[in-house]
Amino acid sequence: DAKTTQPNSMESNEEEPVHLPCNHSTISGTDYIHWYRQLPSQGPEYVIHGLTSNVNNRMASLAIAEDRKSSTLILHRATLRDAAVYYCILPFGNEKLTFGTGTRLTIIP
Amino acid sequence: GAVVSQHPSWVICKSGTSVKIECRSLDFQATTMFWYRQFPKQSLMLMATSNEGSKATYEQGVEKDKFLINHASLTLSTLTVTSAHPEDSSFYICSASWTANEQYFGPGTRLTVT
Repeated sequence: DAKTTQPNSMESNEEEPVHLPCNHSTISGTDYIHWYRQLPSQGPEYVIHGLTSNVNNRMASLAIAEDRKSSTLILHRATLRDAAVYYCILPFGNEKLTFGTGTRLTIIP
Repeated sequence: GAVVSQHPSWVICKSGTSVKIECRSLDFQATTMFWYRQFPKQSLMLMATSNEGSKATYEQGVEKDKFLINHASLTLSTLTVTSAHPEDSSFYICSASWTANEQYFGPGTRLTVT
């Protein structure tokens, strides 16, 4: 399954937008890009997924590069509740999830 | 919608005993359920994938005789850790899906083996 690369950690001020990058240069044409997040001591939570076009939902937006080799998860207005580890994943067979180390997002009040 | 529960949320057991963890999809029918394990300060590792009514598919390195998975219905899967040892102490998390593109995770079960 295709590998993803994310920064280990990021910080953002509360109520400001956050852009979380992900590189996936070996992505294939049929790989979906998924984002999950895990709050401390909880199971992961689905955030968003996309294939080619940018996607929006109530939690976030996903911006996908034209060549699909990278993507960015956008939290439009970060709150303290958004502090979590964010995982960018290309599911194997569009189903099996392999979690990397993710990006630990810290929100500064 | 798309709520997954796990029971118990935490359990302490003695070495050599077996522990059963339940995973339920509360408001949808899950065609596939997944079991993960997470050690402190590490990422989730997939243990096995199960489909209702069929045998689970285990990831490489996961002992199927030690981690028994039963997916008896579209809303319930169980993981039994047999003859538990202290090294089995971990955070066990299940997820459920009915479509290929979204998995919904339970809150996790923290197992401590003394």
